[in-house]
Amino acid sequence: QKEVEQNSGPLSVPEGAIASLNCTYSDRVSQSFFWYRQYSGKSPELIMSIYSNGDKEDGRFTAQLNKASQYVSLLIRDSQPSDSATYLCAVEGVRFGAGTRLTVKP
Amino acid sequence: EAGVTQFPSHSVIEKGQTVTLRCDPISGHDNLYWYRRVMGKEIKFLLHFVKESKQDESGMPNNRFLAERTGGTYSTLKVQPAELEDSGVYFCASSQEGIREQYFGPGTRLTVT
Repeated sequence: QKEVEQNSGPLSVPEGAIASLNCTYSDRVSQSFFWYRQYSGKSPELIMSIYSNGDKEDGRFTAQLNKASQYVSLLIRDSQPSDSATYLCAVEGVRFGAGTRLTVKP
Repeated sequence: EAGVTQFPSHSVIEKGQTVTLRCDPISGHDNLYWYRRVMGKEIKFLLHFVKESKQDESGMPNNRFLAERTGGTYSTLKVQPAELEDSGVYFCASSQEGIREQYFGPGTRLTVT
């Protein structure tokens, strides 16, 4: 079992829709969780961090954490074509999933 | 404020040669991390410096890799001798003391032929 698992995608959503990205992790004692966005050929860019169970909102982005289920997700509301990228989940800051490729179609 | 910088952006070397990658973190960031991404795979943690000390080097693949951070500012990652499987993109990231949110550099693409 991988330490951090993400659906590789690609995930395709129409412009204006909600994109839902999921991540599960194996280490039950993990406390900190991060979402990064990576455009093709570029470096990862931090979107959000979440430490407590529940939801955390920042603009169009909402991170959701459920430690009991070892699950963290990222919702992107009103998706825009510029959101098309690979989204990386990171646990404890240093353990990364392989990423989910998101395409937002105009 | 300048971001994390890495040099060179690309390096092509032959198997058996030596390469040194450099990372300059954001000024004032005590934490510095090295990662590697092999094509098609996830970003893999290599090691973590807090100032000049190695906090965690559990991800270093073998003793052909040597990381240093003299003076707690910039860091170097040397691969000697390079092997074909060392090819990939090497990222450096930094963060403030006590903070886990990391800022990544642009990466160095290493190709070993």
